[in-house]
Amino acid sequence: SQTIHQWPATLVQPVGSPLSLECTVEGTSNPNLYWYRQAAGRGLQLLFYSVGIGQISSEVPQNLSASRPQDRQFILSSKKLLLSDSGFYLCAWSPSSYQPQHFGDGTRLSIL
Amino acid sequence: AQRVTQPEKLLSVFKGAPVELKCNYSYSGSPELFWYVQYSRQRLQLLLRHISRESIKGFTADLNKGETSFHLKKPFAQEEDSAMYYCALSPPAYSGAGSYQLTFGKGTKLSVIP
Repeated sequence: SQTIHQWPATLVQPVGSPLSLECTVEGTSNPNLYWYRQAAGRGLQLLFYSVGIGQISSEVPQNLSASRPQDRQFILSSKKLLLSDSGFYLCAWSPSSYQPQHFGDGTRLSIL
Repeated sequence: AQRVTQPEKLLSVFKGAPVELKCNYSYSGSPELFWYVQYSRQRLQLLLRHISRESIKGFTADLNKGETSFHLKKPFAQEEDSAMYYCALSPPAYSGAGSYQLTFGKGTKLSVIP
């Protein structure tokens, strides 16, 4: 069966430091991959999605970037974190477009 | 622009009472609609989607295009229904809008009182 792993579960970083959150999917090939953020008091917001290796689409302008170096690996990065980057980050996958998405456990990111 | 509104942040009901979690949407067309649920210490997971017309764990949701609503209902609440519920919308598959882009509401926390 398919599984999704996301790490770390929690992260505390100082302002201006770099960021790397990783997400991997097992048991499937060529999945669609997604990064969401949930800021305090707000709904889930789609940040990036990818339909294949090296293919990244960004939904909102921001301080973050995403990469997909391998078929089942999706990385969320930043060169310099801002206070506004604090939030709960969720990775998700779907078998293909227009199929339901399956979510990871999330990473709670706190910026000091 | 597409938008999903869940007007209640918190909904408390007694066990055995009916439950209705409200969801209204804004979309120029016929979107696909979903309810996701997150139980305590568990992952966000799909509860149901409107095109399936199914009942999951006793919950149903009816799409009302006139009122642009997709309220989630259950006739008799159970304690294990306590969770965070999110309504979500995506463009229909035939729209060619690209990948499966979900727009979520802010969520409603359902608390079932024993």
